[in-house]
Amino acid sequence: SQKIEQNSEALNIQEGKTATLTCNYTNYSPAYLQWYRQDPGRGPVFLLLIRENEKEKRKERLKVTFDTTLKQSLFHITASQPADSATYLCALDGVDSSYKLIFGSGTRLLVRP
Amino acid sequence: GAVVSQHPSRVICKSGTSVKIECRSLDFQATTMFWYRQFPKQSLMLMATSNEGSKATYEQGVEKDKFLINHASLTLSTLTVTSAHPEDSSFYICSAREEGAVLGQPQHFGDGTRLSIL
Repeated sequence: SQKIEQNSEALNIQEGKTATLTCNYTNYSPAYLQWYRQDPGRGPVFLLLIRENEKEKRKERLKVTFDTTLKQSLFHITASQPADSATYLCALDGVDSSYKLIFGSGTRLLVRP
Repeated sequence: GAVVSQHPSRVICKSGTSVKIECRSLDFQATTMFWYRQFPKQSLMLMATSNEGSKATYEQGVEKDKFLINHASLTLSTLTVTSAHPEDSSFYICSAREEGAVLGQPQHFGDGTRLSIL
């Protein structure tokens, strides 16, 4: 069956450390993978997109990797800050000819001061 | 840029009431809008894809007569939950794609509507 999985357990780290979040998928072949941030009671906000032929993408303190062999994406936040505390969602894009996104359930990140 | 406004942000109403939620793209034209439903600590589940000027495409298991979608202009889509019941209580979120956008571009999300049916 088709699945997209993110760590359901919250990730609790100390300020200044690097947060690493995982997104694994099964029986999909996405052309792209997107990462969003969602704060409580708010809609998701787009962060980064990576294509299937890209290994890594960076934006400021954010880095995303995409391994289509392992069917996995890793999302890193370096020098984490309490303001980074939120839920982070991965989404598969281009799994078919439609423009639908298929979301994981998200991982909650808590950065302690 | 690329702001999506969703209204209302919160609705509390009695069972049997119909509720309309609006999704507007404020500074761009959106050929396609999406409606999602999210339960606590769960993923966004796509309910339907709304295309301007045509009928919405519903995901499997979503009742089209229950969740009426209208996309009458390039900046407005509405979702009406008809005869709402407590099990319809959820967080409803819309998103929009810019006109002309191709695969591999982000969706722009509204801030959601918290629907509570008593």
